[in-house]
Amino acid sequence: QSVLTQPPSVSAAPGQKVTISCSGSSSNIGSTYVSWYQQFPGTAPKLLIYDFNKRPSGIPDRFSGSKSGTSATLGITGLQTADEADYYCGTWDRSLSAGMFGGGTKLTVL
Amino acid sequence: EVQLVQSGAEVKKPGESLKISCQASGYTFIHYWISWVRQMPGKGLEWMGRIDPSDSNTNYSPSFQGHVTISADKSINTAYLQWSSLQASDTAMYYCARLDGFNGVGCWGQGTLVTVSS
Repeated sequence: QSVLTQPPSVSAAPGQKVTISCSGSSSNIGSTYVSWYQQFPGTAPKLLIYDFNKRPSGIPDRFSGSKSGTSATLGITGLQTADEADYYCGTWDRSLSAGMFGGGTKLTVL
Repeated sequence: EVQLVQSGAEVKKPGESLKISCQASGYTFIHYWISWVRQMPGKGLEWMGRIDPSDSNTNYSPSFQGHVTISADKSINTAYLQWSSLQASDTAMYYCARLDGFNGVGCWGQGTLVTVSS
């Protein structure tokens, strides 16, 4: 069981917007950085968002990140069937001196 | 281009030892920590630990401390993950990654599949 809590699954229709939450604590999300990763079956994770809301080159602005207190959120607008994947948040925990990932959220585009 | 290239898939028996590698290129190896991440079949990502290649300082997740060893050889820009005695439960995909403290772009290796079976 992960210290970072994500919903196991979310779904929405093509063209719609979806948000994925990542709930942590004051020793991780509340005091350090969060990244979001997208993973398709059989492939390595791909960075979508880092430092809460920055996008690497090549990531469309349909993907966004935000933080409020001890929670972070990934937003995806204009959903496409190609967005169906698993999504993970990741951060550092200052108390444990360890990295951690959320349990992952499976996105289904209906 | 920043790249992490991992060694190939391994099939081992319980009790055997194993060392897998991750070779970095396209950046100054000693300037960034390298993490190892486990993904068991059908499961999520688990952060195992990390190493600072400049001085081999390490941090481990409590879940993996004592069961694996992370090392690096800065002369050949390579990080390692090793087991002294594998168990069937070690069967998983293992990724090396430059996570940049979750504050940078970083990079992921392609993964090394480790299968432990009698």
